[in-house]
Amino acid sequence: EAGVTQFPSHSVIEKGQTVTLRCDPISGHDNLYWYRRVMGKEIKFLLHFVKESKQDESGMPNNRFLAERTGGTYSTLKVQPAELEDSGVYFCASSQAGTDTQYFGPGTRLTVL
Amino acid sequence: GQQVMQIPQYQHVQEGEDFTTYCNSSTTLSNIQWYKQRPGGHPVFLIQLVKSGEVKKQKRLTFQFGEAKKNSSLHITATQTTDVGTYFCAGVWTYKYIFGTGTRLKVLA
Repeated sequence: EAGVTQFPSHSVIEKGQTVTLRCDPISGHDNLYWYRRVMGKEIKFLLHFVKESKQDESGMPNNRFLAERTGGTYSTLKVQPAELEDSGVYFCASSQAGTDTQYFGPGTRLTVL
Repeated sequence: GQQVMQIPQYQHVQEGEDFTTYCNSSTTLSNIQWYKQRPGGHPVFLIQLVKSGEVKKQKRLTFQFGEAKKNSSLHITATQTTDVGTYFCAGVWTYKYIFGTGTRLKVLA
């Protein structure tokens, strides 16, 4: 069974540009989470989808971040316009309905110059 | 709001020595999870503790959940070089996960 996949693995952009990250959860997993880890700090929760609905988006830093999960399958996280402090590794995780065990993707390393 | 503190931030041990990392939550947890992230990798789920006072073992790893469900520890007996990585706890409150800052373990051969 395929795990959680994320694309791209790395992205280097300039301040002010737009970047879209993609996450494909494990097939059949209703729960999808986005996290961010800034260098050396904790893994910070961004938001949680249940199918296509946003269950909790309390961790989204500001309105430059937009997450979608159309059709309840893959999800995208768009940052527009990117700022220097947005640099970090963005992880996606998924879990089955009714369970707490999350499976993490490999992450997307975003560098904003 | 909920907070999860984890100590120590770094630990260097000689191969064969024991290692412990501690996690403390500001509020009572539904459950706690532990993850390991190898250098350059992504967090991998290790275990989940649900019951007050629960103790679980995985080979050389022992996980404990406090009686008040506010703290937890991970103990590794006789560390090996393959144990290198960052160990994170994650406090869970009904689908809300808050990760600790992680403890980076370095094992010197």
